[in-house]
Amino acid sequence: KNEVEQSPQNLTAQEGEFITINCSYSVGISALHWLQQHPGGGIVSLFMLSSGKKKHGRLIATINIQEKHSSLHITASHPRDSAVYICAVGRDGGSQGNLIFGKGTKLSVKP
Amino acid sequence: NAGVMQNPRHLVRRRGQEARLRCSPMKGHSHVYWYRQLPEEGLKFMVYLQKENIIDESGMPKERFSAEFPKEGPSILRIQQVVRGDSAAYFCASSPSATGFSYGYTFGSGTRLTVV
Repeated sequence: KNEVEQSPQNLTAQEGEFITINCSYSVGISALHWLQQHPGGGIVSLFMLSSGKKKHGRLIATINIQEKHSSLHITASHPRDSAVYICAVGRDGGSQGNLIFGKGTKLSVKP
Repeated sequence: NAGVMQNPRHLVRRRGQEARLRCSPMKGHSHVYWYRQLPEEGLKFMVYLQKENIIDESGMPKERFSAEFPKEGPSILRIQQVVRGDSAAYFCASSPSATGFSYGYTFGSGTRLTVV
């Protein structure tokens, strides 16, 4: 079993829909990261969380440390949100940057 | 203020050749991280370097792979005697300090290595 599991693997939505991507992990962590990878491969860091909730524009990330679970929400989705969303965790006690990555959720938003 | 620069963007090597991948961190960033993304697989951590020091190489294959970050110049990921299984996208990221990863890190656009 992977230490970081994401669901769903693939997600298709209509423009304007509210989207949720889930991430569960099985190790003790220092922080959880959400990343976005566009077609063509560039990777952008969206959030880093160690507790609670963060919001940036239409993106919201939450984490429940007790349940070892995080969610990424996109409100009022738009075709430009189409990308692969990747959850990654930094292992507690590990060096910074030594992240364990999920396999990603491929999101396609149709106009 | 240029971001993290990786070159080349695409690299083709024949089996047995050497591949050298370069990563120039953002201005003011002294910590570099390398990751590999195999086709249809997730990203995997390879190595974390500070200038002239390897901090964590726990993700590096034991043979043929090496990394450096000299006092001057870019960080280099070197793969000797490449094999088809080395074909992947290699990404680097940089952060400003030892705790800077917590405050912000930036990825480069990656180098796509194809071994033929």
